[in-house]
Amino acid sequence: QSVLTQPPSVSGAPGQRVTISCTGSSSNIGARNDVHWYQQLTGTAPKLLIYGNSNRPSGVPDRFSGSKSGTSASLAISGLQAEDEADYYCQSYDRSLSAWVFGGGTKLTVL
Amino acid sequence: QVQLQESGPGLVKPSETLSLTCTVSGDSISNYYWSWIRQPPGKGLEWIGYIYYSGSTNYNPSLRSRVTISVDTSKNQFSLNLNSVTAADTAVYYCARIKRGSGSYILEYWGPGTLVTVSS
Repeated sequence: QSVLTQPPSVSGAPGQRVTISCTGSSSNIGARNDVHWYQQLTGTAPKLLIYGNSNRPSGVPDRFSGSKSGTSASLAISGLQAEDEADYYCQSYDRSLSAWVFGGGTKLTVL
Repeated sequence: QVQLQESGPGLVKPSETLSLTCTVSGDSISNYYWSWIRQPPGKGLEWIGYIYYSGSTNYNPSLRSRVTISVDTSKNQFSLNLNSVTAADTAVYYCARIKRGSGSYILEYWGPGTLVTVSS
């Protein structure tokens, strides 16, 4: 049971827009701790996708965007492409646990 | 571009100590924070701990009693020791460089990971 809750899977057709939610609590996301997102292609290491809730590292397409409100955060992917098929993880800091915590991951399938 | 590479035994016996090293190339290990993260097969990510190049550390409370992370700036390496391992410690272990944000720590660059299996 992860501290941050993500849907196990989402899917969409090429060109569509999908969102992945990350739900936390008052001790992590709700405590004004930043949320970061990572993309993990099959068999590879995670890669930083979004940091500080909504910032994209250099090289990440602007089809990827992040937002945060209250105790939740979201990752949106527009103009879905086959290469976006991957697992996506959110990450934040939990004050009660004094630990960095991850969501359980969401598998994105491009139909 | 900084690159990280994990190395160490792929098989460890129960109750023994898991030891891994992360070698950093393309940049100095100084002036950065560095972290270890693991991922059991088919499961999610778990933060293990981090170290500053000066040697100060912070560990996941759930693993703190068994974990030691150290740094060797002369070799541009940092290491992970996890003692008294059980099958539950079987995972892919990743090392990563941390980018400090405004009050947060971001796992900016990751190594490819190394699978460690705990089995007799």
